[in-house]
Amino acid sequence: DAGVIQSPRHEVTEMGQEVTLRCKPISGHNSLFWYRQTMMRGLELLIYFNNNVPIDDSGMPEDRFSAKMPNASFSTLKIQPSEPRDSAVYFCASSSHRAGGDTQYFGPGTRLTVL
Amino acid sequence: DAKTTQPTSMDCAEGRAANLPCNHSTISGNEYVYWYRQIHSQGPQYIIHGLKNNETNEMASLIITEDRKSSTLILPHATLRDTAVYYCIVRPLGGGADGLTFGKGTHLIIQP
Repeated sequence: DAGVIQSPRHEVTEMGQEVTLRCKPISGHNSLFWYRQTMMRGLELLIYFNNNVPIDDSGMPEDRFSAKMPNASFSTLKIQPSEPRDSAVYFCASSSHRAGGDTQYFGPGTRLTVL
Repeated sequence: DAKTTQPTSMDCAEGRAANLPCNHSTISGNEYVYWYRQIHSQGPQYIIHGLKNNETNEMASLIITEDRKSSTLILPHATLRDTAVYYCIVRPLGGGADGLTFGKGTHLIIQP
């Protein structure tokens, strides 16, 4: 099993540019999560999907952030326009909801630097 | 999710058992205790979870007090690779499709 795959692993961009982060969940998992990690705020949930449908996007910082899941094997997180304060590590995770609790499997993350 | 309290940091000698405490005094009857860890520059990794009985897997053991207000994660023979931030999280049964709420965790440092 390849695990959760994220791309790119590192992204450096200039303020105002559009950034797209990509995630491939583990095959068969029906829930997908986007998290952001910074030194100041720690790990924060941004949005999550169940069966490709966005369930809770209350963690998305503002309208500059958007996420999509067009099918069960792919999701994107887009920032447009990007700002220096968006610099962080973005993690994608997936899980298979089952009785008795679930386990979330995290990808390696995308380290985003906005200059 | 119920709030948890963990020490900010702990040291443990390599080869010894590392015991990481977590207080969750407001835990509800339908909430599980989960432990994740994050090794530097990696994504969080699931370790173990439990409801009220003690649990053991290949990575660790989880001891939950009878009143369920606290728990201890035990790494039986800590190695240098166990140096990481350990997060204790409580979440409800049926909350399996919800996101995780991470606190600050415990930074465990394994000393050679």
